[in-house]
Amino acid sequence: EADIYQTPRYLVIGTGKKITLECSQTMGHDKMYWYQQDPGMELHLIHYSYGVNSTEKGDLSSESTVSRIRTEHFPLTLESARPSHTSQYLCASSEGGGYNQPQHFGDGTRLSIL
Amino acid sequence: SQQGEEDPQALSIQEGENATMNCSYKTSINNLQWYRQNSGRGLVHLILIRSNEREKHSGRLRVTLDTSKKSSSLLITASRAADTASYFCATDEGAQKLVFGQGTRLTINP
Repeated sequence: EADIYQTPRYLVIGTGKKITLECSQTMGHDKMYWYQQDPGMELHLIHYSYGVNSTEKGDLSSESTVSRIRTEHFPLTLESARPSHTSQYLCASSEGGGYNQPQHFGDGTRLSIL
Repeated sequence: SQQGEEDPQALSIQEGENATMNCSYKTSINNLQWYRQNSGRGLVHLILIRSNEREKHSGRLRVTLDTSKKSSSLLITASRAADTASYFCATDEGAQKLVFGQGTRLTINP
């Protein structure tokens, strides 16, 4: 059903490691987003992009960075993982134009930092 | 900033009953959206209602919007076990991004 893919689905890794979470979509959407969600809680926007070479920080302060070199690809990188980064990370995309078109979500990456 | 707030936080009903969830928000909006999230999965868009609309239907879903009260409700009729999920409302605060509430966890008992 989903045309937006996130890898890995689960990642358990030690403190201090560099991590890249992958997100790809095949719908040609201009807008892409990264959210952080703790179990049973609301989503917090941490990064978004309106197109190639466009990236913005979201509402929640995050030590991660993103890049948008290709329309379909929007990876998120943590240079040095810490236990406080343990959470679920959701990637989404939407069509450009108009106000807030419906967003399509991947199934997320559940990240655990030991 | 948290825009949409859902009520109740959790709801448990019997299969076949109707489920109603409410969402309140603080500032003016262009549209309000409802999403479903099954356990361990991403969110799935259910329905979008624009600020100039009062009611919208999609299958067993009915969404209402009252901009004077800054509130919306999602009604699921004739609930099924497969409807068990968390439901989130999202508003745009007039900006080019969505703000999600904490969600309502709905459990349908067989």
